[in-house]
Amino acid sequence: LAKTTQPISMDSYEGQEVNITCSHNNIATNDYITWYQQFPSQGPRFIIQGYKTKVTNEVASLFIPADRKSSTLSLPRVSLSDTAVYYCLVRSTSGYSTLTFGKGTMLLVSP
Amino acid sequence: SAVISQKPSRDICQRGTSLTIQCQVDSQVTMMFWYRQQPGQSLTLIATANQGSEATYESGFVIDKFPISRPNLTFSTLTVSNMSPEDSSIYLCSVSFDRSRDEQYFGPGTRLTVT
Repeated sequence: LAKTTQPISMDSYEGQEVNITCSHNNIATNDYITWYQQFPSQGPRFIIQGYKTKVTNEVASLFIPADRKSSTLSLPRVSLSDTAVYYCLVRSTSGYSTLTFGKGTMLLVSP
Repeated sequence: SAVISQKPSRDICQRGTSLTIQCQVDSQVTMMFWYRQQPGQSLTLIATANQGSEATYESGFVIDKFPISRPNLTFSTLTVSNMSPEDSSIYLCSVSFDRSRDEQYFGPGTRLTVT
């Protein structure tokens, strides 16, 4: 199971682009990279998943370099409501395995 | 997507007692899971609830302490037995539609305090 490392916390201001990088040096060939967001007093919410290069949806973009040993979640023009904990997960989709949440990154967006 | 409800939303219980938490989904799902999240901490998977068979428990969690039922594709219960203050936590139910995908939908959680 590939271990992930993220910054414990990040600060930003409204309107800025925020990039959260996750390190996963031991990622395996069959592993996908997934990001979740958790607001206080709520369960986590799936944001985005990718395998390589770039994935974009209405919420965020996920950049994965060729060696796949890291990934970057990019949040464009954050607002106060983006203050949350962001979790990076790596999991194999070969066969079946469960999700393992790391410590996550606490993003604080200020006015 | 899925809408998940949990009951109760919170409870305060005395040590030595048991509490059963219910998880109801508005549509049939393939997988159901139970997590625990202690204050300020990340989520820890307790078990995968299997329909019609015993749940699959993660290391450190046992059936006697956390019995789980899943009678159908939309409902599951988690019981926290013989509670101690260390069981004070938020318990979350999650579901997924596809065994191979990482997209899980989480319920709002049950905040349990054991005194």
